[in-house]
Amino acid sequence: EVQLLESGGDLVQPGGSLRLSCAASGFTFSNYAMSWVRQAPGKGLEWVSAISGSGPDGINTYYVDSVKGRFTISRDDSRDTLFLQMNSLRAEDTAVYYCAKDHGLGGGSTFDYWGQGTLVTVSP
Amino acid sequence: DIVMTQSPDSLAVSLGERATIKCKSSQSVLHSSNKKNYLAWYQQKPGQPPKLLIYWASTRESGVPDRFSGGASGTDFTLTISSLQAEDVAVYYCQHYHSIPWTFGQGTKVEIK
Repeated sequence: EVQLLESGGDLVQPGGSLRLSCAASGFTFSNYAMSWVRQAPGKGLEWVSAISGSGPDGINTYYVDSVKGRFTISRDDSRDTLFLQMNSLRAEDTAVYYCAKDHGLGGGSTFDYWGQGTLVTVSP
Repeated sequence: DIVMTQSPDSLAVSLGERATIKCKSSQSVLHSSNKKNYLAWYQQKPGQPPKLLIYWASTRESGVPDRFSGGASGTDFTLTISSLQAEDVAVYYCQHYHSIPWTFGQGTKVEIK
């Protein structure tokens, strides 16, 4: 059974930093691209960042413009864990952050499994 | 960026009746290489993460009831629930995965009339 368990969400002041983790199990983690998707309170879904699977072409990372230069996605395949390093946090980054597994269809990502999410609150 | 616009924002349907949600992309999400629309639909119930229902615009994810179906015509997409059940009360989102950044529609809330 595929499981994704996020952790690391917290209350942080504007300008602060936070590192989110997502522990994966139930599938061959290294073979799949992974993403972070966030949802502000009472709002819709926003894709934040993705990282490719560990293939022969190396690892590629992708970001929505609003987090470029502030967030860094990474993965540790030896620990089946996905990370999101979040720096220079802003109030508008307040959201539940979901870890999501790529379906593996090829090309862009649909997300066939999601974690339960971890809440990041950016406030003085 | 490709903008996804859903309509309506909410709808109320009687149990057993049909519910139709529309999603329009600001540009084509059809890939010329494989002639597939890179469009997915998700269902999100309160307090839960989203659940994938449909991908390639019309392919049901494994385990999804066949009352859920997806359609496409150019840049217009539909999610149809043929016979609404109580457990279908949720917010539904479309998402394109044609090009970065992947974006979602704003969501459509489905309720029981």
